[in-house]
Amino acid sequence: DVKVTQSSRYLVKRTGEKVFLECVQDMDHENMFWYRQDPGLGLRLIYFSYDVKMKEKGDIPEGYSVSREKKERFSLILESASTNQTSMYLCASGVQGTRYEQYFGPGTRLTVT
Amino acid sequence: AQKITQTQPGMFVQEKEAVTLDCTYDTSDQSYGLFWYKQPSSGEMIFLIYQGSYDEQNATEGRYSLNFQKARKSANLVISASQLGDSAMYFCAMRGEGYSTLTFGKGTMLLVSP
Repeated sequence: DVKVTQSSRYLVKRTGEKVFLECVQDMDHENMFWYRQDPGLGLRLIYFSYDVKMKEKGDIPEGYSVSREKKERFSLILESASTNQTSMYLCASGVQGTRYEQYFGPGTRLTVT
Repeated sequence: AQKITQTQPGMFVQEKEAVTLDCTYDTSDQSYGLFWYKQPSSGEMIFLIYQGSYDEQNATEGRYSLNFQKARKSANLVISASQLGDSAMYFCAMRGEGYSTLTFGKGTMLLVSP
């Protein structure tokens, strides 16, 4: 089975802190994704990566950055956390092919106070 | 650009009954893929079923089937014989031609009662 893990299930940070969310997948997938999920808005893509050291902006990249130094690990960075970044963050990985199916981690619920 | 619309914020169904969750999409691509995911209260997104735009038959996975009507641009999820464990949020998503990214709808909350 595909396994995608995220470093924390729950995280509480203060406004202005630098926040790192880590995601690791064990299936040698090329693609990795970061989403945020808010009630009534569904999932929105923040950043994604096709390969090591490659990154592409999604629909809502403002206030975020990412790092992919190794194929299995994709990090989301909040340079200076703000209260409007309080959300559920979901990481996913996927293999390139005809379906481009994505497999998700358990999510990190981040609260910024 | 792709767009997914799920018009049902919430649905209620009794155990053992069938339920249909609606999804319509908009795209100008000829080749695309449609997905349904389930999100229980635990938060993890679980892949349920996939339909390719050129697949001639509707996809089925156990109790899940996808009612794909290409001309109407709809991809409804049908759950037969609902179970209490089916209570969750359900998301429809699509992938455009040549893209690996998914566009998600806003979801439908399904509640199954005994």
